[in-house]
Amino acid sequence: GAGVSQSPRYKVAKRGQDVALRCDPISGHVSLFWYQQALGQGPEFLTYFQNEAQLDKSGLPSDRFFAERPEGSVSTLKIQRTQQEDSAVYLCASSLEWGQGDPGYTFGSGTRLTVV
Amino acid sequence: AQSVSQHNHHVILSEAASLELGCNYSYGGTVNLFWYVQYPGQHLQLLLKYFSGDPLVKGIKGFEAEFIKSKFSFNLRKPSVQWSDTAEYFCAVSPNTGTASKLTFGTGTRLQVTL
Repeated sequence: GAGVSQSPRYKVAKRGQDVALRCDPISGHVSLFWYQQALGQGPEFLTYFQNEAQLDKSGLPSDRFFAERPEGSVSTLKIQRTQQEDSAVYLCASSLEWGQGDPGYTFGSGTRLTVV
Repeated sequence: AQSVSQHNHHVILSEAASLELGCNYSYGGTVNLFWYVQYPGQHLQLLLKYFSGDPLVKGIKGFEAEFIKSKFSFNLRKPSVQWSDTAEYFCAVSPNTGTASKLTFGTGTRLQVTL
């Protein structure tokens, strides 16, 4: 597609529920990033994939957070046993392999997760 | 680890006023620098970026930024703002590794332009 697509746009989860957030990057983009944006804050890095390999997951706040990109395209961020502090906008960004085009990152519209 | 500081949290300007938003970063190596804008209800959009070369970078919609290495700064400027520039502005930095790497964002500056 023309941009990075994220679904759902909004998700309300009851505390303790598991959720799965989907990111469909721009076709051909090998790098994929997940960020968490709390209200009134800048996005904070969660994890990074190059193709299907998860190269950096240092930003995942706890072992309840898990991300995958099994075929090197679509990625899913899963949050188990959601807590109120997980409420945030989850952003996905993708990028071409640098050196193959204008370097930079394209962001999706995000998924707003509210845990009640 | 890198960090980014945006000193102005909320800026209110009248249309046609000049804009300068401050951004300072902390990192021990070479960096790539970015300014993103987020209009209400929309996704983050790239305004401009600096990778190397001329430290004065021109972006979209009349915005520009100057990288001053000695001051670890990358301030965003626009000579004359418009009402449509009302948005949240984020400065971001990533290590210059020659490949995609994680961005570290500032906390953002909310710009409100009044008619």
